[in-house]
Amino acid sequence: EAGVAQSPRYKIIEKRQSVAFWCNPISGHATLYWYQQILGQGPKLLIQFQNNGVVDDSQLPKDRFSAERLKGVDSTLKIQPAKLEDSAVYLCASSSRTGGVQNTQYFGPGTRLTVL
Amino acid sequence: GDSVTQMEGPVTLSEEAFLTINCTYTATGYPSLFWYVQYPGEGLQLLLKATKADDKGSNKGFEATYRKETTSFHLEKGSVQVSDSAVYFCALSSGGSYIPTFGRGTSLIVHP
Repeated sequence: EAGVAQSPRYKIIEKRQSVAFWCNPISGHATLYWYQQILGQGPKLLIQFQNNGVVDDSQLPKDRFSAERLKGVDSTLKIQPAKLEDSAVYLCASSSRTGGVQNTQYFGPGTRLTVL
Repeated sequence: GDSVTQMEGPVTLSEEAFLTINCTYTATGYPSLFWYVQYPGEGLQLLLKATKADDKGSNKGFEATYRKETTSFHLEKGSVQVSDSAVYFCALSSGGSYIPTFGRGTSLIVHP
């Protein structure tokens, strides 16, 4: 079974530029998550999708971040314009359903963003 | 709000040494507790979990016991291997969302 795929793996941009990250979840997984992991900290949830609908985006800085999952499969996270403090690893995860402690999230390798 | 505190790393050990990584938590109600592992260049993987007090989670020789009285979930392994070198994250989830709240992570380096 293929895991969660993310691209690119690394991205370097200058502040005020825009950037987009792509995630393809495990086949058949209805729930998709985007996390931000700042160096030295644990991952923090940005947004959660159930199929193509948003379940939770309370931690997403909506003035500059946006995310979509148009067909309920792969997803794109965009930052426009980027700030220095956006430098982090962006993790995508998927799970077969939304709730329940038995529900396991499977993580991709992440995209490391550096904003200069 | 919920929070997780882990010991700072890196933890550096020789092969076959005993490992303990401390984790304590603050949460309302009765959270579920998790350890995740992140090997170099890979995504996070769930290592083990415990859903109620006194439960012991175990996997790949690692163990952790849910201690409600001390609000702790320390990770242990009796004999580490070089291949255990990774970053270990303690996490909890509570309420209905089951979204994990992660600690900062502890890097483990095992030398031959």
